[in-house]
Amino acid sequence: AQSVTQPDIHITVSEGASLELRCNYSYGATPYLFWYVQSPGQGLQLLLKYFSGDTLVQGIKGFEAEFKRSQSSFNLRKPSVHWSDAAEYFCAVGLTGRRALTFGSGTRLQVQP
Amino acid sequence: DTAVSQTPKYLVTQMGNDKSIKCEQNLGHDTMYWYKQDSKKFLKIMFSYNNKELIINETVPNRFSPKSPDKAHLNLHINSLELGDSAVYFCASSQATGGETQYFGPGTRLLVL
Repeated sequence: AQSVTQPDIHITVSEGASLELRCNYSYGATPYLFWYVQSPGQGLQLLLKYFSGDTLVQGIKGFEAEFKRSQSSFNLRKPSVHWSDAAEYFCAVGLTGRRALTFGSGTRLQVQP
Repeated sequence: DTAVSQTPKYLVTQMGNDKSIKCEQNLGHDTMYWYKQDSKKFLKIMFSYNNKELIINETVPNRFSPKSPDKAHLNLHINSLELGDSAVYFCASSQATGGETQYFGPGTRLLVL
């Protein structure tokens, strides 16, 4: 079955530390891949996306993600986390011809001072 | 300028009532969506419309009826509200090209008492 997995429900990091959020997908073909962020009580904001080409994708707010076909992964990274990064992060996939995104269950990021 | 807007932002109502949520986008997109986010933050597609035509209906109870009067608007009407309908409902829009990025509204927080 097609699925998107975010194995970490909750991650806590110290401010200034590096961050990696994991995302794995299970689809027959390479899907389109997205990372969205949801701050408390807010909507979803697109951080970055991968369609094709360079497997290292740069996004907003200093985030980047790397697509690894062999591992069916699209992990999100940030070298130095800021307190304002505390939020819920969602990985999502889209398929050509299917006009909807399938989301992972989200990872809640907490940032310690 | 707000790209995707929803009204109301909060909705508190009694079981059995009928309510509507409105969505408007000013991005010129031709595809619009309704997603439901449950209490565990899980996001799932409900409906997708392209050029005012329903293209995805993901096993949603027929108490939920979307209506798209034009490409820029997608409303959601819910009849006979149940406790389990309590959730955050997100509207989104995209351009119907391959790997389209979806832009989300701020969400409508529905609480059924």
